[in-house]
Amino acid sequence: AQSVTQPDIHITVSEGASLELRCNYSYGATPYLFWYVQSPGQGLQLLLKYFSGDTLVQGIKGFEAEFKRSQSSFNLRKPSVHWSDAAEYFCAVGPSDKLIFGTGTRLQVFP
Amino acid sequence: GAVVSQHPSWVICKSGTSVKIECRSLDFQATTMFWYRQFPKQSLMLMATSNEGSKATYEQGVEKDKFLINHASLTLSTLTVTSAHPEDSSFYICSAPGTNGYTFGSGTRLTVV
Repeated sequence: AQSVTQPDIHITVSEGASLELRCNYSYGATPYLFWYVQSPGQGLQLLLKYFSGDTLVQGIKGFEAEFKRSQSSFNLRKPSVHWSDAAEYFCAVGPSDKLIFGTGTRLQVFP
Repeated sequence: GAVVSQHPSWVICKSGTSVKIECRSLDFQATTMFWYRQFPKQSLMLMATSNEGSKATYEQGVEKDKFLINHASLTLSTLTVTSAHPEDSSFYICSAPGTNGYTFGSGTRLTVV
């Protein structure tokens, strides 16, 4: 069955610290992988995506993610977190017709 | 880039009334629109997929008579929550696929009192 797992429900980091949000997926074919960010009461904004090619993907706001097929993972990273990064982050996997979302990771940033 | 405009952003309605949510693709044609529901602090759950000119496809467990979806044109899809009840209170988001991924609306917070 197709699924996405985000093991960390809630992460707290200090501003300026590095960040890694984990995402593991189960998918029968080569997946399309996405990371989205959602601020409270808002829709989703695409941070980055992987379709094919270079397994290290650069996104907006200084985020990057690495696709590791052997580990079925697509972890999101940022070297230095800003207070404005506090939000909910969703990993998603899908074919071309619909997405399956993880349960999300809430990021809290302390000054 | 591709933009999906979703309205209203929030709505409060009385139990038993119907509410319509609109999603418009502003600078591209959306032949398909996905409708999601999100409960507080939970992930997005796909409710249905609308296709321009044909009937919507509903996910298992979603009442098609309660959640009416219409895809009237290549730029407009609507979700109508009929005879709304408090348990229908939720955050509803639409999404359209494009050549560069999926574009999401800003969401509609529905509160049924």
